[in-house]
Amino acid sequence: QVQLQESGPGLVKPSETLSLTCAVSGYSISSGYYWGWIRQPPGKGLEWIGSIYHSGSTYYNPSLKSRVTISVDTSKNQFSLKLSSVTAADTAVYYCARWRNGPDWFDPWGQGTLVTVSS
Amino acid sequence: SSELTQDPAVSVALGQTVRITCQGDSLRSYYASWYQQKPGQAPVLVIYGKNNRPSGIPDRFSGSSSGNTASLTITGAQAEDEADYYCNSRDSSGNHLFGGGTKLTVL
Repeated sequence: QVQLQESGPGLVKPSETLSLTCAVSGYSISSGYYWGWIRQPPGKGLEWIGSIYHSGSTYYNPSLKSRVTISVDTSKNQFSLKLSSVTAADTAVYYCARWRNGPDWFDPWGQGTLVTVSS
Repeated sequence: SSELTQDPAVSVALGQTVRITCQGDSLRSYYASWYQQKPGQAPVLVIYGKNNRPSGIPDRFSGSSSGNTASLTITGAQAEDEADYYCNSRDSSGNHLFGGGTKLTVL
């Protein structure tokens, strides 16, 4: 079955760039679907960050758009997130998920990775 | 508006029926999807589209929509259904939105 696994540093300093990768197994990203990033600050709700199609088309949350870059590497069957100029407000569990468009759903999700922004 | 509003907390007696709602203008144009999240775990899709359940989701979970409100109904709630539930849809620009979440307690 399709599985997603996030990886990346668990601690990032303020003003630096957060970088995460989502490795996909059991499905070829090149075969279709969109792929997304969602985050959840400790004790709070879910926030969509952005999504990417295998062709490279991207869609970003307007509130984060100026700081977010999502890219895809079909040769490695993975996609990545970069969030620049981070602050403590970016501390969250970051999830990656497969997204289908119309009717929408996110499924499955990775297990999530906690990223803490602190000096 | 570009928000999805959920009641913060709902409770239900074991074996009874509970409805969790999600309100937002965008729900007049887009279906909601619903996610169950247990402590320390990733969200799990339970309902999408008009009323579709992914494989492995019990049939006690169902979805419906009317006007600007989407609902997730659990008929015969079980102890294992105690969790946070989030709705998801789009805003008028097509960007994804999540509701604030509803904490379901099974008494």
